[in-house]
Amino acid sequence: DAKTTQPTSMDCAEGRAANLPCNHSTISGNEYVYWYRQIHSQGPQYIIHGLKNNETNEMASLIITEDRKSSTLILPHATLRDTAVYYCIVSRGKLIFGQGTELSVKP
Amino acid sequence: DVKVTQSSRYLVKRTGEKVFLECVQDMDHENMFWYRQDPGLGLRLIYFSYDVKMKEKGDIPEGYSVSREKKERFSLILESASTNQTSMYLCASSSRRGGAFFGQGTRLTVV
Repeated sequence: DAKTTQPTSMDCAEGRAANLPCNHSTISGNEYVYWYRQIHSQGPQYIIHGLKNNETNEMASLIITEDRKSSTLILPHATLRDTAVYYCIVSRGKLIFGQGTELSVKP
Repeated sequence: DVKVTQSSRYLVKRTGEKVFLECVQDMDHENMFWYRQDPGLGLRLIYFSYDVKMKEKGDIPEGYSVSREKKERFSLILESASTNQTSMYLCASSSRRGGAFFGQGTRLTVV
């Protein structure tokens, strides 16, 4: 499965959009991009996934570049409860979690 | 709602005991996973199963085995528990290409 690179940490002001980047330059054609988050002391939570098209659900939007070598998770109006570690995973099914991005949403 | 249920929230076992951690999902998912999570080490995959009786090692399979005799149930077995297996264990399930849903976790302490 392809490796991903994410910033270690990011800050975002409450109410603003949080844009979390992920590089996956070695992604292969049949690998999906998945995003999860883990709020302190809870289990990971699935957010969204996609193959090549942009995706949106009630939690977030996923923008995948045309060459599929990078993606961005967008939380449109971040709240304090969105403070968490966000993981970007590229996979055909087996999920290996990296270190993720620690997002802090500040008042 | 997807439900992934782990048999215990907290478990205390003695060194050398054989330990079974059970996980059941109700969504007819093909994939099931066992992870452990330790402070500073993140979430590490122990074993992955992509179908009944099929399994694949994760990053840290040593000291563990798994069993998937039925689609809905995935068991993690510690053949001879050791203190370094004290950890939070998380089970998850997913459809072939879908997002994974996690159980509430089992905090295992080996004394």
